[in-house]
Amino acid sequence: QVQLQESGPGLVKPSQTLSLTCTVSGGSIRSGSYYWSWIRQPAGKGLEWIGRIYTGGSTNYNPSLKSRVTISVDTSKNQFSLKLSSVTAADTAIYYCARGPHCSGGSCYPASDSWGQGTLVTVSS
Amino acid sequence: DIQMTQSPSSLSASVGDRVTITCRAGQSISSYLNWYQQKSGKAPKLLIYAASGLQSGVPSRFSGSGSGTDFTLTISSLQPEDFATYYCQQSYSTPPTFGQGTKVEIK
Repeated sequence: QVQLQESGPGLVKPSQTLSLTCTVSGGSIRSGSYYWSWIRQPAGKGLEWIGRIYTGGSTNYNPSLKSRVTISVDTSKNQFSLKLSSVTAADTAIYYCARGPHCSGGSCYPASDSWGQGTLVTVSS
Repeated sequence: DIQMTQSPSSLSASVGDRVTITCRAGQSISSYLNWYQQKSGKAPKLLIYAASGLQSGVPSRFSGSGSGTDFTLTISSLQPEDFATYYCQQSYSTPPTFGQGTKVEIK
């Protein structure tokens, strides 16, 4: 059973870069045809997809954040990371990492079936 | 981006009730629709994938249906542990987008 755990600073100053890491355990980040995603949720609000990276290294980003986002993978550490630059208070949220697709019965479906517990990042001076 | 609209935004129900939540997509998404359950302070949990596929370990009282633009999540007999917020998500196109959520509360 794969497990994901987010880590990183809980407080970031405005205009600086938010950096988070997701550590994958219980399986290799290189195995299978998975993608590894970041999703965020402001307090009391809904879910926003930030982007994903595929095992092969290709990425997709939310156009609303694309100019500020970089997602990378470090296979030697079984981790993938998120960098979000030029943050403002609007970037304050719980940040989740997740794995997809969901595979069942020999088929795979674009859904995230494993999630980290989430980490709160506050943007404030 | 494809807009996803859930209704209702919240509902109150009693244990044993049949509960239905609807999700409408702004354009046809075939069956690329997932449902997640989120309990307070916890990460979302995948319940239903591809509109009607029941995730392993999810009780059979949960079911999903629909295709195209209109989808439903049904809980056949609400249990105490089902009180949570439910989100639909389209995975037809990038970026994947979520509905605003439906909070299921105790009546």
